[in-house]
Amino acid sequence: GQNIDQPTEMTATEGAIVQINCTYQTSGFNGLFWYQQHAGEAPTFLSYNVLDGLEEKGRFSSFLSRSKGYSYLLLKELQMKDSASYLCAVRHYQLIWGAGTKLIIKP
Amino acid sequence: GAGVSQSPSNKVTEKGKDVELRCDPISGHTALYWYRQSLGQGLEFLIYFQGNSAPDKSGLPSDRFSAERTGGSVSTLTIQRTQQEDSAVYLCASSESGGSGETQYFGPGTRLLVL
Repeated sequence: GQNIDQPTEMTATEGAIVQINCTYQTSGFNGLFWYQQHAGEAPTFLSYNVLDGLEEKGRFSSFLSRSKGYSYLLLKELQMKDSASYLCAVRHYQLIWGAGTKLIIKP
Repeated sequence: GAGVSQSPSNKVTEKGKDVELRCDPISGHTALYWYRQSLGQGLEFLIYFQGNSAPDKSGLPSDRFSAERTGGSVSTLTIQRTQQEDSAVYLCASSESGGSGETQYFGPGTRLLVL
């Protein structure tokens, strides 16, 4: 079967660093995406990993280990506007989506 | 327009009625996707169109769901004889050509409520 696991909810403090984990078990793999979704809005693209390692993009970084079926999204210097759900999705034939991690940022 | 647009933004219907949801993808994008998102859940793939190829309908939950894409652009998702469990946000996305690593750009969604 296809399975993607993420924590349901996380809380962090403004200015801090938070790591959101994603583990997956899928019958195929053609890359892993992270999307951000603010409440009531559409998802927007954050990152794409297809090879092992860390991809850094400003305050956001994403890591992939294909052998472990594991990825994480690292958010640095947290801002209040980072309060959102973060969706992990694995590309096989189509995108298989996790349920998302709701990130709450406290002042 | 600059982005993916969807209409209506909200739809309230009675159980048993048919509904049509519309999606206008980004101009020039040949790949179009429909997803469903229930409250607090991840996205559920419904159907995928790529150019003139036969659509991938593997995600449609029942034969009450159908979709078409006319002229390689606008798409319509139709739900016949709606049920309360069909209540969800229906999201449309497009990408340039459907490649594995392509970013999908999402529309604002249609919030469907079946009473």
